[in-house]
Amino acid sequence: DGGITQSPKYLFRKEGQNVTLSCEQNLNHDAMYWYRQDPGQGLRLIYYSQIVNDFQKGDIAEGYSVSREKKESFPLTVTSAQKNPTAFYLCASSIMEGYTFGSGTRLTVV
Amino acid sequence: GNSVTQMEGPVTLSEEAFLTINCTYTATGYPSLFWYVQYPGEGLQLLLKATKADDKGSNKGFEATYRKETTSFHLEKGSVQVSDSAVYFCALILPGAGSYQLTFGKGTKLSVIP
Repeated sequence: DGGITQSPKYLFRKEGQNVTLSCEQNLNHDAMYWYRQDPGQGLRLIYYSQIVNDFQKGDIAEGYSVSREKKESFPLTVTSAQKNPTAFYLCASSIMEGYTFGSGTRLTVV
Repeated sequence: GNSVTQMEGPVTLSEEAFLTINCTYTATGYPSLFWYVQYPGEGLQLLLKATKADDKGSNKGFEATYRKETTSFHLEKGSVQVSDSAVYFCALILPGAGSYQLTFGKGTKLSVIP
């Protein structure tokens, strides 16, 4: 079955370390997105990519980086420059208005 | 810019109660409107959508009507169940330059008690 997979589901990292969250889709969608979710703040767009080897900053890109070397994959790196990285991260892919979301990665920085 | 405002929660209802979650939007054009649902610890699932004025989206007993005159897309259900406990997000897409980005409201947490 087609879908979008995020891994791992839970991730713990020490302050000051970079960490990479995985997002893979087999839906043949061109567009992929990363969102950050905090209680009471809804979903905020971090980065998005509409085609391979191209991506754009969203509303809260500072402290994050992405790559899009393959259509299927859109990994997100949370760098040490991100001041408050503890959050729930959601990946999505879409074709026109049809979105599919992953099940999320909960990152805790200690 | 585009924005979505939805009623703040949390909302707590007894089983079989009537549910309304208000949602209004601001957009420079004619957006498509969506309700997504997020069950605990999971990603978002599309609940229903409407793409033009006066359209009614419906699914699993939930309904919402696209009201252009009031720029609203309120979510309703006649009789909620414990299994409806989740966070509900209102969202819009205003296509432009080949982009179909979702703009979300902040979400409304619904808890249904037996």
